[in-house]
Amino acid sequence: AQSVSQHNHHVILSEAASLELGCNYSYGGTVNLFWYVQYPGQHLQLLLKYFSGDPLVKGIKGFEAEFIKSKFSFNLRKPSVQWSDTAEYFCAVRTREFSGGYNKLIFGAGTRLAVHP
Amino acid sequence: NAGVTQTPKFQVLKTGQSMTLQCAQDMNHNSMYWYRQDPGMGLRLIYYSASEGTTDKGEVPNGYNVSRLNKREFSLRLESAAPSQTSVYFCASSERLANPRYTQYFGPGTRLTVL
Repeated sequence: AQSVSQHNHHVILSEAASLELGCNYSYGGTVNLFWYVQYPGQHLQLLLKYFSGDPLVKGIKGFEAEFIKSKFSFNLRKPSVQWSDTAEYFCAVRTREFSGGYNKLIFGAGTRLAVHP
Repeated sequence: NAGVTQTPKFQVLKTGQSMTLQCAQDMNHNSMYWYRQDPGMGLRLIYYSASEGTTDKGEVPNGYNVSRLNKREFSLRLESAAPSQTSVYFCASSERLANPRYTQYFGPGTRLTVL
């Protein structure tokens, strides 16, 4: 079965530190990749997405992610985090495998990021 | 443009009680979804509606029913709540599922506790 792994469940950083959150998936076919962010008390918001083309994707708020097909990875990065980046981050993968007519969107378990001033 | 809205935001139920979670979207999306979010497990799909008039089971449908009332609204019903249904419930919507580039947009969530 397809799965999405986010290896870091909790990350604590100081402001201005660099961030990299890992995301690996298990599926050998074509995938679409997403990162969502959930700020405290808020809903999930789309940070960025990859469908095809340039494997380095830039999203909102200075975030970027790189799709490395050979490593089945889609890691999220930000060169310098801010206190306002404190949130939970979810990686999601959509495969082309239909399940009941639905291209499944599979979420990772999430990574909680805490940024200290 | 409110996006995806959900009511209520919080709810406490006793075991065996029933309730309906409401979801509405104003983005003219064809497809809608219900997820539950549990610690350490990410989001799991409960039910989805590819288009108005159709609904299908997701990964964890047991104990739930849904109604796609019209294009805008998609409700989730718990007929007899159980403590295992304590969770945060998210509604989402997207362009047509047949669109290979559909993107899901989420509502603010409902935090449900079943005692």
